[in-house]
This record gives sequence, C-alpha cells and structure tokens, in this order.
Amino acid sequence: RKEVEQDPGPFNVPEGATVAFNCTYSNSASQSFFWYRQDCRKEPKLLMSVYSSGNEDGRFTAQLNRASQYISLLIRDSKLSDSATYLCVVNDDYKLSFGAGTTVTVRA
Amino acid sequence: ETGVTQSPTHLIKTRGQQVTLRCSSQSGHNTVSWYQQALGQGPQFIFQYYREEENGRGNFPPRFSGLQFPNYSSELNVNALELDDSALYLCASSLGPLSAGTDTQYFGPGTRLTVL
Repeated sequence: RKEVEQDPGPFNVPEGATVAFNCTYSNSASQSFFWYRQDCRKEPKLLMSVYSSGNEDGRFTAQLNRASQYISLLIRDSKLSDSATYLCVVNDDYKLSFGAGTTVTVRA
Repeated sequence: ETGVTQSPTHLIKTRGQQVTLRCSSQSGHNTVSWYQQALGQGPQFIFQYYREEENGRGNFPPRFSGLQFPNYSSELNVNALELDDSALYLCASSLGPLSAGTDTQYFGPGTRLTVL
C-alpha cells in the first residue's frame, strides 16, 4: 500500500468554480501534513500546512481527519493561475512522503 | 525564491555511467534531503543528511550515495546508471532534521537527468 494516495484527476473546472479533492495516508503516527503545489516541470512549492482544526489561506481550505486518515483541499473561486498539480504530503518522522498528485485545470 | 540552487539543470548520460548532482542549501540550513521524481509520480525520498552524516534513507540501492559539506553544499552520486534512473532530482534544505520537528523544507529547482 502506498504511503500517500491521491485521486490523480484531472479536475477540469471553469473559472470561479469550487473544486475539492482528498488524499489518504497509511501511517497513523504521522505528525504533520501539507499541500504542495507543483507547476509543470518545476519544483514543488509549499501551499499550506494542514492542521487538525482545519485552516484557511485565502481561497484555499484544508482539512485533516486523523481518525479516517485523510486530508482534503478545497479551492474556492478558481483562477486560471490555480492550474497545477497539487501534492499531498505527510511528514513521516524523518522524511516527507508525497502523493502522486492531483491535476487541476481551470479553464476560462 | 527559496535560495536553494541545483546544478546542472539538465543532464544526459548513458546506461552504466556515473553522475554527480550538486545542491547549494540556504545558509544556516543543516539538513539536506534528496528526492527522485519520475514522470507522473510524486517525489520519492532518497536520503537525508544532517551535519554531514546520513540521517535517514529511503528505499534506494547503495549505488545512490551522497555527501554534505560544511559550506551548505551537497552532492548526490549515482553509479551504474540504469534507464529507470531518468527523473527529476530535487534537493530540499531545512533548518534541522524533520524528526526534530522542523517541518519546512525548501526545494531547489531540480536537475533533470535522462539516461539513454
């Protein structure tokens, strides 16, 4: 079983739409969680950390469900610039474990 | 920008050759991690160095080795290259090891290696 699993998408949404997707992780002892964004052929960049109480950063909302071991990301009022691959990331003690990514394409 | 640089940006090698990839971390960052990202996959952890010692290793064979130097630079060496080694290689620096509670890693732009 993979350490982090994501729906690969692609999610193809119009500008202004809301899009949401999840990932699941296998290590119940994982301590911290993140969403990274990766543009085509570029390095991953930290989008936001994910806290147990849920957190927002502008149009982005992240949720963590420890009991079910899943993490979600919701993007409101999608912009063309939100088109990217979103990587779910789990801190497994000494390393980051990445999912394969969810591709989001926002169309005009 | 993250302040982490990598060289070269692109590299083409043939099967069986050896390659050295380089990374320059942010000043003051004692930890560097290396990741391999194959096409269509997420980055996979290779190993981590903390104060010039290997501090954790992923599921990669011994022909993947590394060095970290006191001047915040590091190297990833791969011997006996195989076709499947073709990937984007990313280094990431952090203030300390993730096991010590340091969460944030800053990624370099990567080196794209092609093995023919």
